Amino acid sequence: DVKVTQSSRYLVKRTGEKVFLECVQDMDHENMFWYRQDPGLGLRLIYFSYDVKMKEKGDIPEGYSVSREKKERFSLILESASTNQTSMYLCASSQTQGLGLRNTEAFFGQGTRLTVV
Amino acid sequence: GEDVEQSLFLSVREGDSSVINCTYTDSSSTYLYWYKQEPGAGLQLLTYIFSNMDMKQDQRLTVLLNKKDKHLSLRIADTQTGDSAIYFCAEKGGSGGYQKVTFGTGTKLQVIP
Repeated sequence: DVKVTQSSRYLVKRTGEKVFLECVQDMDHENMFWYRQDPGLGLRLIYFSYDVKMKEKGDIPEGYSVSREKKERFSLILESASTNQTSMYLCASSQTQGLGLRNTEAFFGQGTRLTVV
Repeated sequence: GEDVEQSLFLSVREGDSSVINCTYTDSSSTYLYWYKQEPGAGLQLLTYIFSNMDMKQDQRLTVLLNKKDKHLSLRIADTQTGDSAIYFCAEKGGSGGYQKVTFGTGTKLQVIP
């Protein structure tokens, strides 16, 4: 059974704190993604990675960074948390990019609801 | 950039059919998806359609694609209370080595017993 695990379901942090959100997948997927989900805005891509130590900016990378030191782990870092980063954060992984049917599905973690006070 | 739009809310009675609509702007889309998010959970792929198809049926689910109008719909027959969830439309497209997946805003389906 495929699994994407996010380290925390709920987090409360103070403004200015450095925050780490961890994500681990056990499917040997090349691609990993971080999204944030806000009501009325859907899922917006923050960063993604298509290989170890590789990262690409998504649509809203400002205020975030990422780290992919091992294939199975993709970390999202908020260098200095702000209240407008209060959101649900979703991690996902998928097979190699491409057009094949096997590559079509992304698997999601359960999400981390982060509140910055 | 690419845009995917959905209405935010749909309410149906148990046993009726639900139709969730989605429009997108990316003319280079290869795959279009419907994901389901139950309360407190991540997203799960419900079904998908390749862009050269116009219909796909999978048990109670029917996906219709009008590529000319860039319109995608998901029909759920005999809607049950367990179908209550947020449904996200998504499309995979773009040029170059990486094909980006863009999600819509999500449609919250409420099924009334």
